[in-house]
Amino acid sequence: AQSVTQPDIHITVSEGASLELRCNYSYGATPYLFWYVQSPGQGLQLLLKYFSGDTLVQGIKGFEAEFKRSQSSFNLRKPSVHWSDAAEYFCASRKRGNKLVFGAGTILRVKS
Amino acid sequence: GAVVSQHPSWVICKSGTSVKIECRSLDFQATTMFWYRQFPKQSLMLMATSNEGSKATYEQGVEKDKFLINHASLTLSTLTVTSAHPEDSSFYICSARDRGLAYRYEQYFGPGTRLTVT
Repeated sequence: AQSVTQPDIHITVSEGASLELRCNYSYGATPYLFWYVQSPGQGLQLLLKYFSGDTLVQGIKGFEAEFKRSQSSFNLRKPSVHWSDAAEYFCASRKRGNKLVFGAGTILRVKS
Repeated sequence: GAVVSQHPSWVICKSGTSVKIECRSLDFQATTMFWYRQFPKQSLMLMATSNEGSKATYEQGVEKDKFLINHASLTLSTLTVTSAHPEDSSFYICSARDRGLAYRYEQYFGPGTRLTVT
């Protein structure tokens, strides 16, 4: 079955440091992959998506992600984290019926 | 653009009563809307897919008679939790796909509704 794995439940980084959130997927064909961010008590906001083409995808708020087929990964990165980036991040993959299957989420804490 | 609203944002109800949650696409038409449930510190679990003008399709394990979904127009879907019990307490989130941008495969999410059943 199609699945998305986010190995890190919590990550803490210092403000100004770089960030990488991991995401692995299991899907035979080329997946459609998404990263969403959720602030406490809020809905989800799309950061970026990958369907095809350039494997390095730029998103909003200075985020980027790289699709690596050989590693079945779609890791999210940001060169310099701001305190306002503290939130929960979800990786998701589109499956049949245009449904989304989500990873468990990674909670990002930013320390000053 | 692509704004989805939910009403109410939070609701407290007594056990045995029914609660209706509305999901509206404000600036686009949505032939398909999705309802998710999120427990504290957990991921989103898809409950059902709501298609305008037809019956909703429910994920395995979701009771269709308990979670009634109606998608009567291209901008509104409702989720009614019938005979709610404390175990139904959760954060319910809807999302919608833009009919005119279906090729983008994006879902736009509402802000969620916090349901507490006492």
